[in-house]
Amino acid sequence: QKEVEQDPGPLSVPEGAIVSLNCTYSNSAFQYFMWYRQYSRKGPELLMYTYSSGNKEDGRFTAQVDKSSKYISLFIRDSQPSDSATYLCAMSAMNTGFQKLVFGTGTRLLVSP
Amino acid sequence: EAQVTQNPRYLITVTGKKLTVTCSQNMNHEYMSWYRQDPGLGLRQIYYSMNVEVTDKGDVPEGYKVSRKEKRNFPLILESPSPNQTSLYFCASSPSGREKLFFGSGTQLSVL
Repeated sequence: QKEVEQDPGPLSVPEGAIVSLNCTYSNSAFQYFMWYRQYSRKGPELLMYTYSSGNKEDGRFTAQVDKSSKYISLFIRDSQPSDSATYLCAMSAMNTGFQKLVFGTGTRLLVSP
Repeated sequence: EAQVTQNPRYLITVTGKKLTVTCSQNMNHEYMSWYRQDPGLGLRQIYYSMNVEVTDKGDVPEGYKVSRKEKRNFPLILESPSPNQTSLYFCASSPSGREKLFFGSGTQLSVL
């Protein structure tokens, strides 16, 4: 069993839809939770970063962490065609910070005009 | 412009022919790392470096070497490439390893 599980998609939605992307994990030591966005033929870029449990909002993006269920989510409101990309969740333990991230396989999102 | 630069972007080689993928960052970051990305497996860490002359293995170090002689450069060396090392490789850096990672644009390697 992988430490981090993520549905590969693709997830196809119309412009303006609310998108929900999710990851589950098995390692209870994970404390840092991140979402990266990766456009085709580009490196990943950090989108959202949360420490421990709770919600974090940044514009149209909301990240949620439920440590009791070992489940994290990224919500995108009013999705745009420019949001079409692969979204990777990543997490790490307290003592390693960003040094040793464990990534999900990524979910490909397609937002059609 | 602050960036992580990898070269080459694309590389096709044959089994056993030594190669080096270069990585350079201009942000004076102490921490640098190499990842490979494969379909269905995601990003996996190969090696990382906390500072000059300090390197450590990641999750999939077999068949790879690295060196960190200067702060800005962190080359990835495949001394005897094999077809199972065909992959998309990313270099990343961060100020100390406890802040966000900045990724390069990737190197697509094919080993025939």
